[in-house]
Amino acid sequence: GESVGLHLPTLSVQEGDNSIINCAYSNSASDYFIWYKQESGKGPQFIIDIRSNMDKRQGQRVTVLLNKTVKHLSLQIAATQPGDSAVYFCAETPWGGATNKLIFGTGTLLAVQP
Amino acid sequence: DTGVSQDPRHKITKRGQNVTFRCDPISEHNRLYWYRQTLGQGPEFLTYFQNEAQLEKSRLLSDRFSAERPKGSFSTLEIQRTEQGDSAMYLCASSLRRPGQGTGELFFGEGSRLTVL
Repeated sequence: GESVGLHLPTLSVQEGDNSIINCAYSNSASDYFIWYKQESGKGPQFIIDIRSNMDKRQGQRVTVLLNKTVKHLSLQIAATQPGDSAVYFCAETPWGGATNKLIFGTGTLLAVQP
Repeated sequence: DTGVSQDPRHKITKRGQNVTFRCDPISEHNRLYWYRQTLGQGPEFLTYFQNEAQLEKSRLLSDRFSAERPKGSFSTLEIQRTEQGDSAMYLCASSLRRPGQGTGELFFGEGSRLTVL
């Protein structure tokens, strides 16, 4: 079936380094993608989104890259901090779709070592 | 706090009992979603409401599950005759969808964790 998945279930980085979390999607109808951060015991928190008419979008310390050719999405976190430790999910949905229903990937655990 | 709130945060019940979760969305949001999340997995869509109308239900939502949003504000999710496989985090999210506009950001609550013994 159509799904969103992640290449790396766990990523360990040193504080101050840059982190890259990857995601593959398979639903060609999806044209809106979102990264969520989920800390232990909390609900997912919106980080950044991107529509398929863009290939790059930057936020504060975060950048999302979208490669539609290979259906790949990545989240880059600059100068990773201990507070960035969490599980990161990519999610997809059709922009303008009737439902707003998000399809989430499995998640990547980011562990920041001090 | 004007975010999405869910109650209770934790519920432990015995198999066969009924449980009900409540979600209070962000006040001006017209869409409300229920998701289920098991350990190590991403949230899975269960159902959503546009105002008081329940517009879509996932195949995951068996007939033991029922959700309501009677006045287009808060919502309840009831699980009847709970089974151990129902143990999960039940997440509520809300969004504001304006006519002619695309997907709006979903704001999630902290979730209600259900443990069925």
